[in-house]
Amino acid sequence: GNSVTQMEGPVTLSEEAFLTINCTYTATGYPSLFWYVQYPGEGLQLLLKATKADDKGSNKGFEATYRKETTSFHLEKGSVQVSDSAVYFCATDNDYKLSFGAGTTVTVRA
Amino acid sequence: DTAVSQTPKYLVTQMGNDKSIKCEQNLGHDTMYWYKQDSKKFLKIMFSYNNKELIINETVPNRFSPKSPDKAHLNLHINSLELGDSAVYFCASSSPGLAGVDEQFFGPGTRLTVL
Repeated sequence: GNSVTQMEGPVTLSEEAFLTINCTYTATGYPSLFWYVQYPGEGLQLLLKATKADDKGSNKGFEATYRKETTSFHLEKGSVQVSDSAVYFCATDNDYKLSFGAGTTVTVRA
Repeated sequence: DTAVSQTPKYLVTQMGNDKSIKCEQNLGHDTMYWYKQDSKKFLKIMFSYNNKELIINETVPNRFSPKSPDKAHLNLHINSLELGDSAVYFCASSSPGLAGVDEQFFGPGTRLTVL
């Protein structure tokens, strides 16, 4: 089935720094790709998604582009804030369910 | 007006007990899920129901039994609790997208601690 692999954390950076979290996928066909975010003490919520090659998902200053040639969907933000501290999950659809990556914990220091 | 709600939020119990976690969604979705998140934040799907029918049953001990009385509710009953069952359990719901699974909406989680 389809799966994703994302870079392991934890990642610690200073406010206004650039953030990249790598995610690559393995799939048959053309799966949808997602980034979910989990803030401390909360459930996951969708951050952005892309459903076909070259699509760019964006939300709250985060972006990710569906790249078929490199089978990647890397998450980027140009200038992080303390409020971006969270766990980020890459995911892909896989037979009526989502397959999640292991999650990357991001801590942003003031 | 919470989209996906779970009760209780915290559950502390002794080994060997039986407990239930309830989940309700008011989004009109057809599909609901249970996930288990361990202490390293790894998220593992346990079950999925579509219109009250079980469609996904991952390799979960049969001490775990989901029940869906209607498509807005999916409860999780756990018999003979073990230490290794300690985790955060998330309920989620979704409607199918045009191509495969679409966005899932998650509940706030139930932190289960087995002593």
